[in-house]
Amino acid sequence: DIQMTQSPSLLSASVGDRVTINCKASQNINKYLNWYQQKLGEAPKLLIYNTNNLQTGIPSRFSGSGSGTDYTLTISSLQPEDFGTYFCFQHNSWPLTFGSGTKLEIK
Amino acid sequence: QVNLLQSGAALVKPGASVKLSCKASGYTFTDYYIHWVKQSHGKSLEWIGYINPNSGYTNYNEKFKSKATLTVDKSTNTAYMELSRLTSEDSATYYCTRGLGAWSFFDYWGQGVMVTVSS
Repeated sequence: DIQMTQSPSLLSASVGDRVTINCKASQNINKYLNWYQQKLGEAPKLLIYNTNNLQTGIPSRFSGSGSGTDYTLTISSLQPEDFGTYFCFQHNSWPLTFGSGTKLEIK
Repeated sequence: QVNLLQSGAALVKPGASVKLSCKASGYTFTDYYIHWVKQSHGKSLEWIGYINPNSGYTNYNEKFKSKATLTVDKSTNTAYMELSRLTSEDSATYYCTRGLGAWSFFDYWGQGVMVTVSS
């Protein structure tokens, strides 16, 4: 199975900060990497698909990059509504796997 | 608008089975695969498997092959997941979600259903 290692696991940042969350795959996933945001008691919400494509309706302050085994989610200017847990997810190989999550807290 | 409506929470006894439902609306049911995902309390997400609603073909994460059975009813646009021989390890929230294919990201998710296994 492809292991997806996210860092950091906990992130505390202020409104307006630039925030980056990293995801490292245990092998090449050919940019089949997606990012989800999950708030307490809710289903995950798709933010970015296939490394750098912004899902419809998602603010442009969210962006993604990466290749091979290393991927990054960036929030250019953190907003209060961005708190929650962020997961990366690969759909390159079976079984499909998620990262362990990054909990983003607003200072 | 796309909606995946899941059945309500379930409290089941150890050793029993439970069948969860996921009713799709707002799109052509057979155009997307239905995938199922498990989220144990406070933990990350695990992909269980998928079903192709058009053919009924299924594929499972090896970890869930003897635990989950996926089916669909095309006449009602509903997908089902039956979990068998339940133990406390199966207590979790289960989501249905849709993807364009077998290898796909998931764009819409059901609201999730909490399954509690307890005597």
